[in-house]
Amino acid sequence: DIQMTQSPSTLSASVGDRVTITCRASQSISTWLAWYQQKPGNAPKVLIYRASSLESGVPSRFSGSGSGTEFTLTISNLQPDDVATYYCHQCSNYPWTFGQGTKVEIK
Amino acid sequence: QVQLQESGPRLVKPSQTLSLTCTVSNGSINSGDYYWTWIRQNPGKGLEWIGYIYYSGSTYYNPSLKSRVAISLGTSKNQFSLNLSSVTAADTAVYHCARELVRITGMMDVWGKGTTVTVSS
Repeated sequence: DIQMTQSPSTLSASVGDRVTITCRASQSISTWLAWYQQKPGNAPKVLIYRASSLESGVPSRFSGSGSGTEFTLTISNLQPDDVATYYCHQCSNYPWTFGQGTKVEIK
Repeated sequence: QVQLQESGPRLVKPSQTLSLTCTVSNGSINSGDYYWTWIRQNPGKGLEWIGYIYYSGSTYYNPSLKSRVAISLGTSKNQFSLNLSSVTAADTAVYHCARELVRITGMMDVWGKGTTVTVSS
């Protein structure tokens, strides 16, 4: 299975900050990567697919980049509504696998 | 707006079979545009993809669960089900159903809120 490693595990930043979450794959996955946001008590919600494509309706302050084994999710201008746990997800090889999550908090 | 809702027993005894149903509202499961998927989530292992079923009935499972899992189309037109046999405490998790777009590999655009299943005697 392809292992997905996210960093950091927890991130604390101020409203308006730019924050970056990194996801590394144990082998190349091209751009077969998605990012999900999960708020407590809710299901994950897709933000980004194919590494950098923004899902319809997702605010433009979210962006994704990367290819191969290293990927980033950036939130520019962090908002209180962005408090959540973020997961990367590889869809290059079955079984699909996920990162362990990054919890984003507001200082 | 398509919605997915999981249902089934919240408590299952060890060695028994966990059975859940996902009901699809405001949409049809009989579409070649989607894979109908089960994913589970627990604090220890995070998110784990279980497998999917296509409207034709074809399935694909996570090899780590393959010997114990079966996903099937429901007797009702807009339902699909998960059976996981010989459960242990390690199968305690929140179980989500979701749909994955065929045309955008890996993108699961609609999820159910999830149902917590506890394996305990």
